[in-house]
Amino acid sequence: NAGVTQTPKFRVLKTGQSMTLLCAQDMNHEYMYWYRQDPGMGLRLIHYSVGEGTTAKGEVPDGYNVSRLKKQNFLLGLESAAPSQTSVYFCASSPSAPGQGTDTQYFGPGTRLTVL
Amino acid sequence: GQNIDQPTEMTATEGAIVQINCTYQTSGFNGLFWYQQHAGEAPTFLSYNVLDGLEEKGRFSSFLSRSKGYSYLLLKELQMKDSASYLCAVMDSNYQLIWGAGTKLIIKP
Repeated sequence: NAGVTQTPKFRVLKTGQSMTLLCAQDMNHEYMYWYRQDPGMGLRLIHYSVGEGTTAKGEVPDGYNVSRLKKQNFLLGLESAAPSQTSVYFCASSPSAPGQGTDTQYFGPGTRLTVL
Repeated sequence: GQNIDQPTEMTATEGAIVQINCTYQTSGFNGLFWYQQHAGEAPTFLSYNVLDGLEEKGRFSSFLSRSKGYSYLLLKELQMKDSASYLCAVMDSNYQLIWGAGTKLIIKP
């Protein structure tokens, strides 16, 4: 049981390049999330998904797109990377609907992205 | 706006007790979480409070006062491995987590 995995772990991009970050979970969780973490700031929600085939915008969605074609995978895309997108990106998943149970989120190890 | 405040950094001695405070102003409240994050690693769940009072879990306890918009995380018998950042997060009326910037806890021998 690997939990939540993310690929790649590190990436350096040039301004304007595109890339896709992959998140996979093997816990059969319905809910999946993409966050970014910047120094001195709390985790900020980019996009989330409440089930296969569904996605929704979070707090800071601009410049990112997501897809959830399979229940176990949640992809985050950057179409045209900008230096402001330099950050650590975390994927998370949770088993229950919000408001039910503890709503604990399980996090992946993160992707460190630098945009030059 | 929504706001979560916690101290940026705290220092404590191995074997001692430390209390990390968190105050919040959010649109609605559906629970408060504490997570631990070691440097360069993912956050991991520590505790959850939705009702007022103290929740104890081994060396860690978490307290909530909804009327005051206040929580604290209490760590007893500190160990060197407790050196980490501690993140406070509140689930708002839309069931989304609002995160504080985290408190970096430094443990000295």
